[in-house]
Amino acid sequence: GAVVSQHPSWVICKSGTSVKIECRSLDFQATTMFWYRQFPKQSLMLMATSNEGSKATYEQGVEKDKFLINHASLTLSTLTVTSAHPEDSSFYICSARITGAKGYGYTFGSGTRLTVV
Amino acid sequence: AQSVTQLDSHVSVSEGTPVLLRCNYSSSYSPSLFWYVQHPNKGLQLLLKYTSAATLVKGINGFEAEFKKSETSFHLTKPSAHMSDAAEYFCVVSDGSGFQKLVFGTGTRLLVSP
Repeated sequence: GAVVSQHPSWVICKSGTSVKIECRSLDFQATTMFWYRQFPKQSLMLMATSNEGSKATYEQGVEKDKFLINHASLTLSTLTVTSAHPEDSSFYICSARITGAKGYGYTFGSGTRLTVV
Repeated sequence: AQSVTQLDSHVSVSEGTPVLLRCNYSSSYSPSLFWYVQHPNKGLQLLLKYTSAATLVKGINGFEAEFKKSETSFHLTKPSAHMSDAAEYFCVVSDGSGFQKLVFGTGTRLLVSP
């Protein structure tokens, strides 16, 4: 139980275009979702925290106009990388906090490898 | 602020030998601690978690960890390594904020040789 499905698993896009990454909670309601970025051989860096129905809270140094986060429902959160550039190439991972009947913890999506050319 | 320190960036073991991945934490309150494993280009899988219940926590795939408050440690162990255990391991603490954000260690790459 408590599965988060993340799509796409990989995407290649041209510079200047936008890319949307989706994370869906399949068997629970995700009130809070977290978006991370991971550079090669490094740890996860929290980009933002999103709560259903409200604006995302971005970490210091993360451009909110570049990384648009929408959490319009309890089962879907999206991250849109706008006007992507090669330096945005990275591995992006979403995570949902689990509470209530599913227990306590965090579940992660399988990640999206973004390559901007 | 909460933080975790993973003391080894790489650990190499032979198949069938014990595994020890070290983690020390810093927290101003009673923390929730987690160990996650990540295989290449994959998301994170929860191995085990400590949430102020039993100090010896058993997880999946034969892993366990012991919460030692006096030593502020949460080391991950496994009696006998398997080739499939080769991966990146992250020690993680919940920061106790309203959002309960996770704070990640820098990771330990476990290498298992035949």
